[in-house]
Amino acid sequence: DVKVTQSSRYLVKRTGEKVFLECVQDMDHENMFWYRQDPGLGLRLIYFSYDVKMKEKGDIPEGYSVSREKKERFSLILESASTNQTSMYLCASSFSGTGTTEAFFGQGTRLTVV
Amino acid sequence: SQQGEEDPQALSIQEGENATMNCSYKTSINNLQWYRQNSGRGLVHLILIRSNEREKHSGRLRVTLDTSKKSSSLLITASRAADTASYFCAPRSSNTGKLIFGQGTTLQVKP
Repeated sequence: DVKVTQSSRYLVKRTGEKVFLECVQDMDHENMFWYRQDPGLGLRLIYFSYDVKMKEKGDIPEGYSVSREKKERFSLILESASTNQTSMYLCASSFSGTGTTEAFFGQGTRLTVV
Repeated sequence: SQQGEEDPQALSIQEGENATMNCSYKTSINNLQWYRQNSGRGLVHLILIRSNEREKHSGRLRVTLDTSKKSSSLLITASRAADTASYFCAPRSSNTGKLIFGQGTTLQVKP
């Protein structure tokens, strides 16, 4: 079974802290994604990586950065957490190409910034 | 900008009825995928339809795709209370490879 593991299920951080959200997948997927999910807004893409050290901005990259030093790991970084970054964060991975490219999701990290 | 836009935003039906959800998108796609999310959990892949396919079935799920209208629909037949969840479509862009989700349709199936 494909597994996408997010490091924390729940996280509480203070305003101004640097926050790391980690995501690891075990299927040798090329693509990895970070989304945030807020009521009424659905899932919004923050960043996308299609290979090691490669990244593309999604729809809402402001206030976030990412790191992909190894194929299996994709980290989302909040440089200086703010209360408007309180949200559910979802990581996903998939193969690239035009074949079967279904995405597999982690269980999500519910981040609260106080 | 979100590529997958679902309609309706909320749907409430009785057990045994069929549920239809629609999705519209804006760009060229390789495929379109439907996902389900139970409350507070991650998303689970349901079905994928390629851009050269018009209809696909999987159990009680039927998906159609009309690339000329840039739209898709998901039909769940003979719904069950356990189908209560949010459903999202995710067109996969043929230009960027990104999966972009919309707001989803919240389905409630009453026993």
